[in-house]
Amino acid sequence: DIVMTQSPDSLAVSLGERATINCKSSQSVFYSSNNKNFLAWYQQKPGQPPKLLIYWSFTRESGVPDRFSGSGFGTDFTLTISNLQAEDVAVYYCQQYYSTPRTFGQGTKVEIK
Amino acid sequence: EVQLVESGGGLVQPGGSLRLSCAASGFTFSTYEMNWVRQAPGKGLEWVSYISSGGKTLYYADSVKGRFTISRDNARNSLYLLMNSLRDEDTAVYYCARAKYCSGGSCWDDYWGQGTLVTVSS
Repeated sequence: DIVMTQSPDSLAVSLGERATINCKSSQSVFYSSNNKNFLAWYQQKPGQPPKLLIYWSFTRESGVPDRFSGSGFGTDFTLTISNLQAEDVAVYYCQQYYSTPRTFGQGTKVEIK
Repeated sequence: EVQLVESGGGLVQPGGSLRLSCAASGFTFSTYEMNWVRQAPGKGLEWVSYISSGGKTLYYADSVKGRFTISRDNARNSLYLLMNSLRDEDTAVYYCARAKYCSGGSCWDDYWGQGTLVTVSS
């Protein structure tokens, strides 16, 4: 199974500042046949189900604010939240869909400083 | 509007059984692959099972293989998870999720239900 490791486990950021979450996979999730990284990001607010933010490592889901951006390649990925808003307080998960079983990172909790 | 509504959770003793249901609406259910994903209290997300749109291709996490059975009824727009031989470690909120894209049963999901809590305890 591919192991997904996120860092940090939690971070506190001031309103309007940038939050950066890292995700590392134990093997590459890049598929050369379609030139894509099989990596998604979800946001989960307390008491709610996860919400899809990003897929193919950088493509924003419809309706997701453009302050959320994804980047990375192969085994190392980043979710960046620019201009952090109060409603962005949540746990964020990366997930690979390169191979079965799909696996999630352990989650990163984002709070307001 | 896409809606996924899970039901069937509850308290069950170790070794017992439970059947979860997920009622889908707002989209053509029969054309989408579906998944069950669970979340133990205070923990992260764990994929449980996948089913193809026609119901013929199934995948399971090793942790539930041989104990859980996923199925669907496209005529009733419903997804199911039959859980047998339940263990303490199966205690979790179980979400049904609509897959937007899958590769060999490994997907990302664009809609999730609110979840149903399964508690395994004596």
